[in-house]
Order: sequence, then C-alpha cells, then structure tokens
Amino acid sequence: DAKTTQPPSMDCAEGRAANLPCNHSTISGNEYVYWYRQIHSQGPQYIIHGLKNNETNEMASLIITEDRKSSTLILPHATLRDTAVYYCIVVHNQGGKLIFGQGTELSVKP
Amino acid sequence: NAGVTQTPKFQVLKTGQSMTLQCAQDMNHNSMYWYRQDPGMGLRLIYYSASEGTTDKGEVPNGYNVSRLNKREFSLRLESAAPSQTSVYFCASSEGTSNTGELFFGEGSRLTVL
Repeated sequence: DAKTTQPPSMDCAEGRAANLPCNHSTISGNEYVYWYRQIHSQGPQYIIHGLKNNETNEMASLIITEDRKSSTLILPHATLRDTAVYYCIVVHNQGGKLIFGQGTELSVKP
Repeated sequence: NAGVTQTPKFQVLKTGQSMTLQCAQDMNHNSMYWYRQDPGMGLRLIYYSASEGTTDKGEVPNGYNVSRLNKREFSLRLESAAPSQTSVYFCASSEGTSNTGELFFGEGSRLTVL
C-alpha cells in the first residue's frame, strides 16, 4: 500500500477554511484516498474518500490533483469542534491492510 | 444498531498475565481490524481479517494472536503481557467488498500493563 506524508500540525482560525494537504506520490491506479479524523481519545471517524475526481459531502471537500500524487482536505468553515488529528490513507480497492500514518493535528483557534 | 463493540473498556494487567480483547460488529461487515495507539502517536495495525476464516499480520503483530470466531467477532489475545503493550486498542470493521476503506471504529480498550 502507498504511504502518505502529512504535516504534523496546522492552525486555523475559527470560521475560516482549513486546507489539509497530503502527499501520496506512490499511489497506484487502483488505490483510493481516504480521510479520517480522530477527536481526542475517541475512535477515528470516516470523513470522505475519492479516486480521481473531486468529492464533496456534508463534512468536507476532497481535492485530488490530476496526477493523483497529492490531495487536500478542505473544511470550508472550521469550528472549534473540528480540532482533531486528521489522517490521510491510501486504500486498495480490494481492501486489505489499512495503514494510518501520523496524521495532521489541526488546532482551530477562536 | 450498536456498531462496533469492544470489551473491556479498561483493563490493568501485571507483566506476564494473559487476556483477550473482544470485538463484535452488527453491521454484517466482512473485514475486521485491530489497531493500537500509543500516547501522541498514530494508529498502528496489529492484525486484520479480510473475511471470515482469514487473518493476516499488520505492522506490529508480535506478542499478539487473533481469532476470527465468526463473521461478527474478532478477538485479540495477549498471551504474556508486557509493559510495552500498554496502549489503547481499537477494533474496526468495514464492508470489505465496496468502500473498502470506510472503517467503523469501536470506542477503544485502554490497557495498562504494570
């Protein structure tokens, strides 16, 4: 499975958009990009996923570059409750090992 | 639906003791996973089961055994606990044939080995 690289931490002002980058330069054609978040001490929560097209749901938007080597998770109007660790993972379409990296610790500040 | 249920939620062991962490899901999912998370760290995959009757090693399998008892249940056993196994353990499941990366996690089991 492809590995991902994320910045260890980011800050964002409340009400502003939070843009969280992820590098997955070794991704293969049959691997999806998934995003999760983990609020302190809770189990991780699924946010969104995509293959090559941009995706949007009620929680966030996912922008995947045309070469698929990187992606950005966008929280359009961050709130204090969005403070969490955000994980980007790459998953084969047949499943198997799901490897989480270190993630990005997002702090939303008033 | 309860989703993914883990028991126990808290456990304290002495070095050398054994115990089993239980995990059950009621979503008819095919795949199940065990992760551990140490303080300030990301999740590390211990073992996973892609389908009933199969198990495979993850990133950190040493010191653990697993059993996929049936489609619903996936247990994690520590035969001889060590202080290095002090951690929070998360069980997860996924449908396994589509949206294979959408995992549903339990609330975690907090294990301390003295």
